[in-house]
Amino acid sequence: DAKTTQPTSMDCAEGRAANLPCNHSTISGNEYVYWYRQIHSQGPQYIIHGLKNNETNEMASLIITEDRKSSTLILPHATLRDTAVYYCIVRVSLLGEYGNKLVFGAGTILRVKS
Amino acid sequence: NAGVMQNPRHLVRRRGQEARLRCSPMKGHSHVYWYRQLPEEGLKFMVYLQKENIIDESGMPKERFSAEFPKEGPSILRIQQVVRGDSAAYFCASSPQMQGGGYTFGSGTRLTVV
Repeated sequence: DAKTTQPTSMDCAEGRAANLPCNHSTISGNEYVYWYRQIHSQGPQYIIHGLKNNETNEMASLIITEDRKSSTLILPHATLRDTAVYYCIVRVSLLGEYGNKLVFGAGTILRVKS
Repeated sequence: NAGVMQNPRHLVRRRGQEARLRCSPMKGHSHVYWYRQLPEEGLKFMVYLQKENIIDESGMPKERFSAEFPKEGPSILRIQQVVRGDSAAYFCASSPQMQGGGYTFGSGTRLTVV
């Protein structure tokens, strides 16, 4: 699986958009970009994933550059409850294959402040 | 719609005892993954199982740790002769057989070895 690079930490004002960048310059054509977050002491929570098109759901938007070497997770109106560690992961989506597992890096600590 | 259920939530064991951690995947999910998170560290993959099969155990310590996912019942992560260094949060995740989205994680079991 391709390696990802994320900033160690970011701050965001409550109510503003939080934009979390991720670099994945060695991503392969069949690898998806996944985003998870972990709120203190809880299990990781799936946020969104995409291959090459931008994606949006009720939680966030995912913007993937045309060359797919980087992406940005956007939380449109951050709240205090969005304070968490955010993980960007790239992996092949197919199940049942040896090595097909989510590999978590250090992630970005997002602190939402009032 | 129950999510991934892990029990117990907290487990205290004395050094040398055995720890059994249970994970019931979401209904319809046939793939289970176990992760360990040491204090102040990231999530580390341990093992990936399907019903009655271990698919990838590349993250399992070579000794004292074992995992199973029987045809009936929950997945079990078993740690024999626990040591203080086994104190951690253990998370289980599940996914369906055909899946394009993310895993669903449980709330974890926090193991404390005294």
